[in-house]
Order: sequence, then C-alpha cells, then structure tokens
Amino acid sequence: GEDVEQSLFLSVREGDSSVINCTYTDSSSTYLYWYKQEPGAGLQLLTYIFSNMDMKQDQRLTVLLNKKDKHLSLRIADTQTGDSAIYFCAEKRQGGYQKVTFGTGTKLQVIP
Amino acid sequence: DAGVIQSPRHEVTEMGQEVTLRCKPISGHNSLFWYRQTMMRGLELLIYFNNNVPIDDSGMPEDRFSAKMPNASFSTLKIQPSEPRDSAVYFCASSTPTGGREQFFGPGTRLTVL
Repeated sequence: GEDVEQSLFLSVREGDSSVINCTYTDSSSTYLYWYKQEPGAGLQLLTYIFSNMDMKQDQRLTVLLNKKDKHLSLRIADTQTGDSAIYFCAEKRQGGYQKVTFGTGTKLQVIP
Repeated sequence: DAGVIQSPRHEVTEMGQEVTLRCKPISGHNSLFWYRQTMMRGLELLIYFNNNVPIDDSGMPEDRFSAKMPNASFSTLKIQPSEPRDSAVYFCASSTPTGGREQFFGPGTRLTVL
C-alpha cells in the first residue's frame, strides 16, 4: 500500500515539547519529509531526513527515524503559539519518479 | 527567488463555467505538480510534469480536468465544466532532481463553485 498515516490532532501547552508521529508502509522510501501548513498558505518544508539516517536535529526540531518499524517522528522543543499549524509527513520512494506521498496531516494546537 | 506563483488566489464561479488556474514554478526546477486539498480527501496529487512532459496523470479526477505545461515557466490546470464538488484549494509545487528533492509549494488557489 501507499499509506502514510498520522494522528489528526495534537494539543500542547506553550513551552512544552510536541511530538508528532507518522507511520509509512514502503521500506524503499529514500527521503522522508516534514511539511508545515499555516492557515491559508501552502505547505512549507520544515526538514527532511535521508533513509540511512536515524536522527536529524535543526534548532528546535528533532526528527527521529525508526526504519525497522517504519516510524517517523517530529519533536518540537519549547513549542510556541506560532507553531500552531498542520504538519504533514511525506515520503519519496526509490526511483527516478519525483512523486511524494503525503500523510493526512496532524493539526497542532498550542495553548497559551 | 519569488517562489512558486499561482493565480488567481481566489476564484468563485458558477457550475458549468470553465475555470483556469495558473502556475509559474521556481526558475530552474524541472518538475511540476498539481495538488488538490479538501477536508474530506486531504492532499491529492492530480498530475506531475517532468521537463514539461506529463508523467503521471492518474490522479486527474475525470475528463473535465486537463493540465498543460507549454514551457518550463508556465502551467495551467483547467476544469470544464466545473461542478460544486470541484470546490477545493489547488496547489502547484515544483522541485529539482538534486539534493533532497523537496517540493516547493505555491500559496494555492481557493476555488468555490456555486
């Protein structure tokens, strides 16, 4: 199958850490991405990880990849109200075709 | 760079009318994607172009939808005739085959068909 699955909703308090989870099905995935979509805007790439990596950190963002379980997570440290958005997990499979499969998106609500 | 440019940003039309959405990809990107986003179905890939050639149009809903890319800097998505169920946000994205292959999205066109 081609499913990329995410939980639909996450609510956290400002200053806490947020962890958004994603599972995917294709073990041949080469790139895994996290995109952010703010209201009324297009998707914006936050970060991506190559499939031979376990972890990637970029300022407040930490991406963890468990390739055995096909599980990807995005941790946002010190979550701010500006982080409220929909977060999409996505995968690109091996091969020349540039198609990327997106998850359903997780809506993150940050409570002040 | 100005990023991916889409026009119009909002379109309201009546059922049966023709709608044309436009996209200018980022200069130097050779792949272009059209997506549709709705609450019910999420983000759906409609069609993908590589070097101006349609590679995968399996996501195009039906014959009422057509897409063209006459040159590397312009693409259109046309719906004729439009129906209320076509109401959605339509995104264009472009990417380059190098690096992380990430897609850069435009701001979208919000289409409302009455």
